[in-house]
Amino acid sequence: DTAVSQTPKYLVTQMGNDKSIKCEQNLGHDTMYWYKQDSKKFLKIMFSYNNKELIINETVPNRFSPKSPDKAHLNLHINSLELGDSAVYFCASSPGTGMNTEAFFGQGTRLTVV
Amino acid sequence: DAKTTQPPSMDCAEGRAANLPCNHSTISGNEYVYWYRQIHSQGPQYIIHGLKNNETNEMASLIITEDRKSSTLILPHATLRDTAVYYCIVRVYQAGTALIFGKGTTLSVSS
Repeated sequence: DTAVSQTPKYLVTQMGNDKSIKCEQNLGHDTMYWYKQDSKKFLKIMFSYNNKELIINETVPNRFSPKSPDKAHLNLHINSLELGDSAVYFCASSPGTGMNTEAFFGQGTRLTVV
Repeated sequence: DAKTTQPPSMDCAEGRAANLPCNHSTISGNEYVYWYRQIHSQGPQYIIHGLKNNETNEMASLIITEDRKSSTLILPHATLRDTAVYYCIVRVYQAGTALIFGKGTTLSVSS
């Protein structure tokens, strides 16, 4: 079983469209994250949710809205897509409490805006 | 901003030990050193972490200097599959805190 799964793996869409990326983790973790990796391969934190509550929102345009229906899911909605949104988006999860702080990452969603 | 400094790239021959250095001269007393790697645009993968003692697991060893201002990740017998970007991250040992990635070191293992 995949610990952190993202769908879709690839997404090609036109400018101005609205799209969603889904993320699910089956590890029982309390905290989930979204990271963006741009063309220069720099990994940057976008959002962090702990038990469905937003913890980190790192100067991300408000066209990006995370939604956490339960603590096993953190979906990313993007409105009015722009060319600059093209990147690989990674979802991750980690325990919210306890001694184990290891984070697990999904395999990424490659978003291409044309 | 990342609190660590790593060389941008390193080469290693297959079967040899790969020693990846990391400088974290401003590390705080409650911050741990974590290592992750990313193989060819896959999701980052946890390797090891430590506070001040040397640590070893099935993947690697972590050597932290006594003053904690630098560390070295050791892959004892590098294989071609170890070719990846390796990230050294300092982080408070608190569940739920985000990982802040720097530019990492691209390790190329060749036969």
